[in-house]
Amino acid sequence: GIQVEQSPPDLILQEGANSTLRCNFSDSVNNLQWFHQNPWGQLINLFYIPSGTKQNGRLSATTVATERYSLLYISSSQTTDSGVYFCAGEYSGGGADGLTFGKGTHLIIQP
Amino acid sequence: EAQVTQNPRYLITVTGKKLTVTCSQNMNHEYMSWYRQDPGLGLRQIYYSMNVEVTDKGDVPEGYKVSRKEKRNFPLILESPSPNQTSLYFCASSWRVTATDTQYFGPGTRLTVL
Repeated sequence: GIQVEQSPPDLILQEGANSTLRCNFSDSVNNLQWFHQNPWGQLINLFYIPSGTKQNGRLSATTVATERYSLLYISSSQTTDSGVYFCAGEYSGGGADGLTFGKGTHLIIQP
Repeated sequence: EAQVTQNPRYLITVTGKKLTVTCSQNMNHEYMSWYRQDPGLGLRQIYYSMNVEVTDKGDVPEGYKVSRKEKRNFPLILESPSPNQTSLYFCASSWRVTATDTQYFGPGTRLTVL
């Protein structure tokens, strides 16, 4: 299966700061998604972004499929942005239909 | 409200006592799957189902069973739970028959096996 590497593993920022989270894939993926897990454990889909750039409020994501990476940008961070951010993708070479997740970036936004 | 529900949300049990975690979605999604989340390992897929009566193994299926008799329900069965199955479990669903569509997750079930 594919390997999904996320960086940085941990990030502590002050409220109002901007951040960039990165996701690298070891092989080609058909599709890529970003999720946020809040401190209560709830997983929320942020972006479904197989390629290109999408924006949703203060968050945006860019996927460069040919280079096998994706970036998640958070601008003007708020304490409610705290939690773990996961990226996930599905191997494009076929086989089992399932998402492979990275180990996540743990983000703490301090007031 | 469109949602994926799981029950129970928390469960403490003992080794060998069979248990079932239920999962239900009200969005008429075809694809459903189960994940477990462990510290430092992220989420790993246990089983998935592309449609009624169609299920297949994910990355970590040992010790688990599933069934898909109805489109909306996808229960996870632990026939003889062991302490290494202590974990946070998530059910997810999506529209299409592959995982490539947007995944919607349930609230999670925290299982402790003593």
